[in-house]
Amino acid sequence: DGGITQSPKYLFRKEGQNVTLSCEQNLNHDAMYWYRQDPGQGLRLIYYSQIVNDFQKGDIAEGYSVSREKKESFPLTVTSAQKNPTAFYLCASSLRLAGSGNEQFFGPGTRLTVL
Amino acid sequence: GIQVEQSPPDLILQEGANSTLRCNFSDSVNNLQWFHQNPWGQLINLFYIPSGTKQNGRLSATTVATERYSLLYISSSQTTDSGVYFCAVGTTDSWGKLQFGAGTQVVVTP
Repeated sequence: DGGITQSPKYLFRKEGQNVTLSCEQNLNHDAMYWYRQDPGQGLRLIYYSQIVNDFQKGDIAEGYSVSREKKESFPLTVTSAQKNPTAFYLCASSLRLAGSGNEQFFGPGTRLTVL
Repeated sequence: GIQVEQSPPDLILQEGANSTLRCNFSDSVNNLQWFHQNPWGQLINLFYIPSGTKQNGRLSATTVATERYSLLYISSSQTTDSGVYFCAVGTTDSWGKLQFGAGTQVVVTP
């Protein structure tokens, strides 16, 4: 089955700790994205990647870091510098970044709670 | 950046009713997607529709790119249609970034 998987589904973290969220896709998509959703709001872009070993900051990148060592994987690290990390995090992918084939598909999400 | 406005913010429907959700955007787009977010948070792709009209079962969508709006039609609504509907758009200079509207919360009552 082709799709996007995210793990874990729920994550609890103490203040001051870094935590890494996993995102894997087997759709053979070039582009991958991380979004953040706060209660009652739409999604906001954190980081995106067009190809392996390349990624760009989105609108709210401060306090986050990513890597893209493999086409299938785009992990997100929420660092202790992120002031309000409690949120729902969604990973997405698309065949290409721009032009035709830029339809984005989303994973099931990870709910992060900072205690 | 591009602005996306969705209306209405909330909608309560009786099962079997029809409804129209609207998405206005402030610039030319090369991507427009409609999503349904279910109670577990999963975003389900409904339509990829930067222009034109598409139908999928009881749902249909129309985007009039020249007038910068899109409409999502729900016919014969069912309780499973409840959830939040998002419109998201991308532009040629946004390099894949989708700008989301605030969503329309739909509740379908039996």
